[in-house]
Amino acid sequence: DIQMTQSPSSVSASVGDRVTITCRASQGLSSWLAWYQQKPGKAPKLLIYAASTLQSGVPSRFSGSGSGTDFTLTISSLQPEDFATYYCQQANSFPHTFGQGTRLEI
Amino acid sequence: EVQLVESGGGLVQPGGSLRLSCAASGFTFSNYWVNWVRQAPGKGLEWVANIKQDGSEQYYVDSVKGRFTISRDNAKNSLYLQMSSLRAEDTAVYYCARTTVTTHYYYGMDVWGQGTTVTVSS
Repeated sequence: DIQMTQSPSSVSASVGDRVTITCRASQGLSSWLAWYQQKPGKAPKLLIYAASTLQSGVPSRFSGSGSGTDFTLTISSLQPEDFATYYCQQANSFPHTFGQGTRLEI
Repeated sequence: EVQLVESGGGLVQPGGSLRLSCAASGFTFSNYWVNWVRQAPGKGLEWVANIKQDGSEQYYVDSVKGRFTISRDNAKNSLYLQMSSLRAEDTAVYYCARTTVTTHYYYGMDVWGQGTTVTVSS
């Protein structure tokens, strides 16, 4: 199975800050990676797919980059509604594993 | 409105069985792969299983292989997860989610249900 490791596990930041979350895969994924945002008690929401493509309706302050084994999710200017937990997920091979999550505290 | 709605969760004893359902509406269900993803209390997301558009392929995480069966009925726009030999560690909120996969692209899980809670306890 491909292991997905996110860092940091948690981060505190202020409104307006730029935040970067990293996801490292134990094997190469090409671009078969997605990022999700989850707020407490809610279903996850797709932010980025194919490593760097912004899902329709997602604010442009979110961006993704990377390929192979190293990927990043960047929020360019944090807004109060960005308080959430973020997950990466690989779909290069089964099982389609998630990272352990990064909790973003504003 | 594009929607997925799960049902069938509840309290079950260890070793018992439960069948989850996921009803799709607002889109052509038969065009999509569909997944089950679960989240244990206070924990992260775990991909559980998925099934191809026509039901011809199914994939599972190792921890549920031989115990869980994913299936679908495209005529009823419905996805199912038959769970048996349930364990305490299967306790979680179970989500269904659709995805699009092509030869070159993974489009992510873009529509999710609200989740249904399964509790395995005596």
